[in-house]
Amino acid sequence: ETGVTQSPTHLIKTRGQQVTLRCSSQSGHNTVSWYQQALGQGPQFIFQYYREEENGRGNFPPRFSGLQFPNYSSELNVNALELDDSALYLCASSLVQNTEAFFGQGTRLTVV
Amino acid sequence: AQSVTQLDSQVPVFEEAPVELRCNYSSSVSVYLFWYVQYPNQGLQLLLKYLSGSTLVESINGFEAEFNKSQTSFHLRKPSVHISDTAEYFCAVSGLNYGGSQGNLIFGKGTKLSVKP
Repeated sequence: ETGVTQSPTHLIKTRGQQVTLRCSSQSGHNTVSWYQQALGQGPQFIFQYYREEENGRGNFPPRFSGLQFPNYSSELNVNALELDDSALYLCASSLVQNTEAFFGQGTRLTVV
Repeated sequence: AQSVTQLDSQVPVFEEAPVELRCNYSSSVSVYLFWYVQYPNQGLQLLLKYLSGSTLVESINGFEAEFNKSQTSFHLRKPSVHISDTAEYFCAVSGLNYGGSQGNLIFGKGTKLSVKP
């Protein structure tokens, strides 16, 4: 059974650029959630996808968008990057109606 | 709205001493409660969870947490810590989405546990 994998592990982007982060869910999981963890803070919920549709969204602007694919993998897209977008982005997968979410190692995004 | 407060940002403790990491939450609905651990440069690992039933839950590595509904607390304890327990610990709550699926996790700001020899 493979765990949750995220790519890339580290990324440096320039302010104003766009970025795509990827997540492969744990085998059999059909729900993916994305979190942003700024330095020294707890993770903050961005959004959740279930069966390729958004199933809840946190307090993030529309320039944060996502996709879930038929194989349940997912992408997080961020447009018009700002310096404050620098953070660790975590992906978590789970089974709907299951109470345990499994997290990936995260992607460290630095915006300069 | 739900929120989580972790009262201590850093907790230094000597090896083999007991430790308590405090967590209080607020919610207008029934919630699930979790403790996650994060080692440096890694993702989050589930340590233990409270869903229902017994208010005392235990992990496989000696941690335990007790759900106290009247005090809206879910403090994490370990009677004797090891150097390897040095990490950051996050308390989280989760409500339910429409349809009964688990909602998103709301995290506290974390407590850095530093175990010294």
